[in-house]
Amino acid sequence: GDSVTQMEGPVTLSEEAFLTINCTYTATGYPSLFWYVQYPGEGLQLLLKATKADDKGSNKGFEATYRKETTSFHLEKGSVQVSDSAVYFCALSVQMSGGGADGLTFGKGTHLIIQP
Amino acid sequence: NAGVTQTPKFQVLKTGQSMTLQCAQDMNHEYMSWYRQDPGMGLRLIHYSVGAGITDQGEVPNGYNVSRSTTEDFPLRLLSAAPSQTSVYFCASRATGGSYNEQFFGPGTRLTVL
Repeated sequence: GDSVTQMEGPVTLSEEAFLTINCTYTATGYPSLFWYVQYPGEGLQLLLKATKADDKGSNKGFEATYRKETTSFHLEKGSVQVSDSAVYFCALSVQMSGGGADGLTFGKGTHLIIQP
Repeated sequence: NAGVTQTPKFQVLKTGQSMTLQCAQDMNHEYMSWYRQDPGMGLRLIHYSVGAGITDQGEVPNGYNVSRSTTEDFPLRLLSAAPSQTSVYFCASRATGGSYNEQFFGPGTRLTVL
């Protein structure tokens, strides 16, 4: 079945450090890939997405590139802030034959802590 | 637009009690789903619905029932709560059709079963 593997945390960084959170996947068909963010006490918010190979998703200074050859979708940010502290989830969704997309398969989440 | 709303925010049950977690969306989305979030497990799909009157099981459906009588509402029922159902529950919805439609999540219900 489909699965997502991401580095487990917590990941602790100092403000302005470079961030990489690794994510790899296995999937049947052609998945779309996502990063969701969950701030303390809140639901999940879509951070960025990529729907085909070599696409780069970006938002709020975060980036991730869909690498089909390595089945990866690593999340990066050049300079993190304290406000980036949250749990980050990598996820995939496989397109159904009739159009639209199936449910999301999530990784276990990475807790990111940014210290001032 | 309120988006996806869930009630209650918190709930404590005793083993064997029943309850219904409410979920509603005002975006006219056909697809709705329920996930549970457990430490170190990510989110796992419980049940989903592709439209009114149509529901199906996800990855972890045991112990939960759903129904979809309207487009807006998708309640999740626990008929006889067990401690293993202690979790945070998220409802989500999205439009259907097209190559991809973003899923919108509710704020969650934190359930404790004693």
